[in-house]
Amino acid sequence: EPEVTQTPSHQVTQMGQEVILRCVPISNHLYFYWYRQILGQKVEFLVSFYNNEISEKSEIFDDQFSVERPDGSNFTLKIRSTKLEDSAMYFCASSEAIGTGGLFGPGTRLTVL
Amino acid sequence: EDQVTQSPEALRLQEGESSSLNCSYTVSGLRGLFWYRQDPGKGPEFLFTLYSAGEEKEKERLKATLTKKESFLHITAPKPEDSATYLCAATLVSKLIFGQGTTLQVKP
Repeated sequence: EPEVTQTPSHQVTQMGQEVILRCVPISNHLYFYWYRQILGQKVEFLVSFYNNEISEKSEIFDDQFSVERPDGSNFTLKIRSTKLEDSAMYFCASSEAIGTGGLFGPGTRLTVL
Repeated sequence: EDQVTQSPEALRLQEGESSSLNCSYTVSGLRGLFWYRQDPGKGPEFLFTLYSAGEEKEKERLKATLTKKESFLHITAPKPEDSATYLCAATLVSKLIFGQGTTLQVKP
């Protein structure tokens, strides 16, 4: 069964450093998403991406964040200058069509020291 | 403001003791209501999508239902392996709005 994969599973970084989180969505899916979940809190929407453009982004997704689909398979989330409060699980998801939720990857645990 | 609220926050059941989880939503332009299962340290695992009031979906011991303001996840004769956090989410075109989840513990 096809699945969304994410690397790394755990990333530890120093405050102020740049990190790139990587995702390989399901191959025939056209819509891609990033969500995050701070420990003990709700899963929060960050950004959706379609046709090489951002479709929608939340207030959390400020200028420190960017997304890219550098090739036909990868989808990345970059945080330019990490803050302590960026520590969270980051989930990538993909879907075939708009409004169909999405299938989620296993997540990357980001720890900012 | 669009919002999804789940209750209870935590639920402890004995094996075989049926119950229901509630998800209430105030969302304008709802496209669909989703249920996911999340195990500790893992990503949400898709369970069901409901698109219109009156719709029901079933999978093994789980049944999801939808009204105009709420969705219920009914668990019939649960087993310990059903222990997890169950997330409800409403979709608005290109994003999901999640509730805080109900953590279910089923004791043998």
